[in-house]
Amino acid sequence: QQQVKQSPQSLIVQKGGIPIINCAYENTAFDYFPWYQQFPGKGPALLIAIRPDVSEKKEGRFTISFNKSAKQFSLHIMDSQPGDSATYFCAASKAYSGNTPLVFGKGTRLSVIA
Amino acid sequence: DGGITQSPKYLFRKEGQNVTLSCEQNLNHDAMYWYRQDPGQGLRLIYYSQIVNDFQKGDIAEGYSVSREKKESFPLTVTSAQKNPTAFYLCASSIRGGRTDTQYFGPGTRLTVL
Repeated sequence: QQQVKQSPQSLIVQKGGIPIINCAYENTAFDYFPWYQQFPGKGPALLIAIRPDVSEKKEGRFTISFNKSAKQFSLHIMDSQPGDSATYFCAASKAYSGNTPLVFGKGTRLSVIA
Repeated sequence: DGGITQSPKYLFRKEGQNVTLSCEQNLNHDAMYWYRQDPGQGLRLIYYSQIVNDFQKGDIAEGYSVSREKKESFPLTVTSAQKNPTAFYLCASSIRGGRTDTQYFGPGTRLTVL
C-alpha cells in the first residue's frame, strides 16, 4: 500500500519554466509534509516543508501548495535553472500527533534544459 | 567537519554472504535511520533507532539486521535471507527522531550482489 503517491515520474522543462510536482496522500493523520532534493550519487537533503494549517509556503524559488480537502500537495520551482536538475521526493509523517517516521513518494526526476 | 559518513561507497559481495554497511555520525543526533533506494521506488525504510540500544522495524526489515550500541553508529547487516539485496542504501540521522526534525542523509553505499 503506497501511502504517498507522487507524479510525474520524470519531467523535462526549459530553463526559466515552472516545473510542478504533485503528491497525494491517503492517511488524514499525516501532519507534516517535507520535500527532499537529491543529486546523483548523493543523499537527499531537505528543501522545504509545510504543515496542513497553511495553504502555501515559499522559500526562495521553491513553493509548496497544500490542499487539505483534496489530500494533495505540490512543489513549484519558479524560474527553474539547470542546477535544479535532480530527483525530488515528497514525504509525509504524523509528526505532531504520533511521531512516526517519514513515508516517501517514489520520486520525480527533473531535468532543466538550457 | 560534522556529518554522516557511510562506508564503503561501493560494495560487491557474492550471493549468500552476509555484509555489513557502516554508518557513523558526529552530529550528536539521537535518531538514526536506514533506507533502501531502488530505481523508481523512492526511499523505503528498513530500520530506525531513536535511542541507543533500541530500534524498530521499518516497512522492509525482512532480511536485514541492525544494532545501536553507540549513539554515533548504526551499522546495517544485509543477510543471506534478503532475496534481492542489490540496491543503494542510505543512512540518515535527526536530532530527536520525530516531530519535524530534519533528516540528514549520508552519501550512500551502493551494494551489488553478484
